[in-house]
Amino acid sequence: NAGVTQTPKFRVLKTGQSMTLLCAQDMNHEYMYWYRQDPGMGLRLIHYSVGEGTTAKGEVPDGYNVSRLKKQNFLLGLESAAPSQTSVYFCASSSRFGPAGAGELFFGEGSRLTVL
Amino acid sequence: DQQVKQNSPSLSVQEGRISILNCDYTNSMFDYFLWYKKYPAEGPTFLISISSIKDKNEDGRFTVFLNKSAKHLSLHIVPSQPGDSAVYFCAASDATSGTYKYIFGTGTRLKVLA
Repeated sequence: NAGVTQTPKFRVLKTGQSMTLLCAQDMNHEYMYWYRQDPGMGLRLIHYSVGEGTTAKGEVPDGYNVSRLKKQNFLLGLESAAPSQTSVYFCASSSRFGPAGAGELFFGEGSRLTVL
Repeated sequence: DQQVKQNSPSLSVQEGRISILNCDYTNSMFDYFLWYKKYPAEGPTFLISISSIKDKNEDGRFTVFLNKSAKHLSLHIVPSQPGDSAVYFCAASDATSGTYKYIFGTGTRLKVLA
């Protein structure tokens, strides 16, 4: 059972370089999310998607872009990496949101990014 | 503005005793809450949830209590085990209004002492 898979697991970038993190889920979930985790800051929502072809800003969207061209994939891009973007990035997906309640989030194992 | 707060960064408890982790929120529209556990170098894993129509939900050793008037929820772990040592996050959502997102707290690191 793959669940939510993130690639790459580790990456070191120089300031100004660009890169893309890939998230893939095999659970046919509509909702997908990108969070970053920093010491003392918890998990902060960067961007999210409520379905194929949709994206929306979260709490800390600046410096990131996202795309959801296929339902199973959610890409997080850094166009010009900065040291402040050094973090652990987590992708998550969920199956439902609505008056009946919200589904649990299923998380990937994380991608550790260091920007020098 | 931190909408979900976990004011205790860390907590130590003896094995077999009760662990109580607290979470406060400011947005009165939040109506669905979850708790997650996270081990180092792993993704968070779901523990238990509660809807605002309830004030308590149990699953084995884990119980979540919700006090809507105080905008406060707590996670009780009884009895605590060394394997429970991890970082615990609470998360809140406004599930009915179509915002489709969870806001997480800053986490509490639980250490269960053998």
